[in-house]
Amino acid sequence: NAGVTQTPKFQVLKTGQSMTLQCAQDMNHNSMYWYRQDPGMGLRLIYYSASEGTTDKGEVPNGYNVSRLNKREFSLRLESAAPSQTSVYFCASSEVVAGELFFGEGSRLTVL
Amino acid sequence: GNSVTQMEGPVTLSEEAFLTINCTYTATGYPSLFWYVQYPGEGLQLLLKATKADDKGSNKGFEATYRKETTSFHLEKGSVQVSDSAVYFCAPFAAGGTSYGKLTFGQGTILTVHP
Repeated sequence: NAGVTQTPKFQVLKTGQSMTLQCAQDMNHNSMYWYRQDPGMGLRLIYYSASEGTTDKGEVPNGYNVSRLNKREFSLRLESAAPSQTSVYFCASSEVVAGELFFGEGSRLTVL
Repeated sequence: GNSVTQMEGPVTLSEEAFLTINCTYTATGYPSLFWYVQYPGEGLQLLLKATKADDKGSNKGFEATYRKETTSFHLEKGSVQVSDSAVYFCAPFAAGGTSYGKLTFGQGTILTVHP
């Protein structure tokens, strides 16, 4: 049972490059989330999708875009990467908009 | 919106010692409260939760009680093991207000347990 799968697990970018982080869940969950984790700051919500066809901004959306491709998949795009976006990114899902989230293993992104 | 203050780490203990990690929060209404744990190299996973005042969440020997009067949700374990070494996050879930529908994570407390 895979749960929440993120790709890639590691990525190095140069400033100004673009990339997309992919996330897929196999639990038939309605809600999906993207967080970033930085030292000493816990996890901060970038965007979330309460249900298929909807997306909303979280705490730190600037510089990011998202697409809820279908019920299973929720991607995060960096159009023009900046060093401030160096972080570990986590995708999560939940059955409904509630506090019990299931997380992927994370994607470590470095922007030079 | 919601906010969380967690005990600063890192916390270093010997095996079988008693653990307390303090957590206080501010929130609109009556949030559900969660503790998440992150083991090295992994994503977060739910450790325990409490959904209303005076509820006690428990799992794997860890406990936390929802204290509405002190807006606290302290994590405790009577006898820690080396395998408990991880980062622990307190997180209220907003039932109303501007943070509705969102988890707010504390900064995390690193726990290291030595044999």
